[in-house]
Order: sequence, then C-alpha cells, then structure tokens
Amino acid sequence: AQSVTQLGSHVSVSEGALVLLRCNYSSSVPPYLFWYVQYPNQGLQLLLKYTSAATLVKGINGFEAEFKKSETSFHLTKPSAHMSDAAEYFCAVKGNTGKLIFGQGTTLQVKP
Amino acid sequence: DAGVIQSPRHEVTEMGQEVTLRCKPISGHNSLFWYRQTMMRGLELLIYFNNNVPIDDSGMPEDRFSAKMPNASFSTLKIQPSEPRDSAVYFCASSRDRGTGELFFGEGSRLTVL
Repeated sequence: AQSVTQLGSHVSVSEGALVLLRCNYSSSVPPYLFWYVQYPNQGLQLLLKYTSAATLVKGINGFEAEFKKSETSFHLTKPSAHMSDAAEYFCAVKGNTGKLIFGQGTTLQVKP
Repeated sequence: DAGVIQSPRHEVTEMGQEVTLRCKPISGHNSLFWYRQTMMRGLELLIYFNNNVPIDDSGMPEDRFSAKMPNASFSTLKIQPSEPRDSAVYFCASSRDRGTGELFFGEGSRLTVL
C-alpha cells in the first residue's frame, strides 16, 4: 500500500524567501510521485512529477523537487516565493494499481 | 483542448434528496477518478474506472453512493438519499493511463446538503 505524509499543514514565508514543503512517502513498489497545487475554488493542477528518471525534477512556476529514496522523501522547493504562490499544495503517490493517493495538503502563505 | 468538465459547479439540496454529479473526462483518457474533498478528511479517493470498468470502489462511503461510467466520455456519481455530512467538493479527474500518467482535474462540484 502507498501513502504520503506532508509535514506541516501550514507554512508561512516572506516574499522572496525560500519555499520548502515537506513530503515523505511509503510505498512497497517503486513509486511515482507528484506535487499538485490548488488555488481557491479551483481544481488541482500538476506542478511536477517523478517517474524514476532524474531524481531532481523541475516543474512549472519555478518549483522543483528531489526524490531521495534513502529518506523516502520528495520535498518541494522554490528559491524565491511570490505572492501568487499562495495556495494549497498536495503531495501524492501512485503505485502500480493506478490509484493516486494524496497527502493532507500544506497551505502556503506568502507575506509581503 | 477542453479539460475535465464537471456539472453542476454548485448544488444546494435538502437532506433526503437525490444528487447526481456529472463528469466528462478528457478525450482519449481511459482512467477516471472521483474524489471528495473536505476540511476534515482532505482528498479522498471514492472510486476509479479504467476503460469504463470500476476497478476500485473501496473508498465509496456507503451504499448511498453509486457511480457509473456508461461510456468513455461520461460518468456520474449519485448520492441517494443525501445527508448533511455529504457536503463537500467532489472532483472528477482523468488520466491517460494507469502508469506514470498524471491526473487532470475538473473544477469540482460543491455540494451543500441542508
């Protein structure tokens, strides 16, 4: 069975500061890992995905994530936060059954 | 390209009424997923289909919930009878395959049961 744990339900950063959103996964098979973003009153949009190619994955809007098997982690980072990055972020894992299982989400607040 | 289309976007109904939510997946996608989102429970997978066949419905809360996919371009999620605790945002998503393909989400149907 697969699962993900997002550490921290709320993260607050200043505009221009580093963004770090943490995600740890559990999977009995090599996982496919995803980060999604949800803006208010909208559906989820894919930020990036890891599918066993390069361990450092670059996504949209300047975000990237690094797959670390030894730490079972897939943390999301962005060097410099923008006000427009304020949203809820979800880490998700997909196993060989095709099911995509989401973490509880992390709300990112960006302060001016 | 049209994305995943859900209807209605908002539904307000009274306890005991039947609710039907509709979804049109992206053309060419062969997997379809229904999720429910609440503050308390986050995003829960209710059911998913592959090639119109239900593969896993273990997330369906109880017999009041049912989902169908009569063809590759249409799916419904029905709640009968509805209860206040069913109030949530219901998302439909589709995917090109069961492997590495990401899910594309609709904008959701916000259900309020009074």
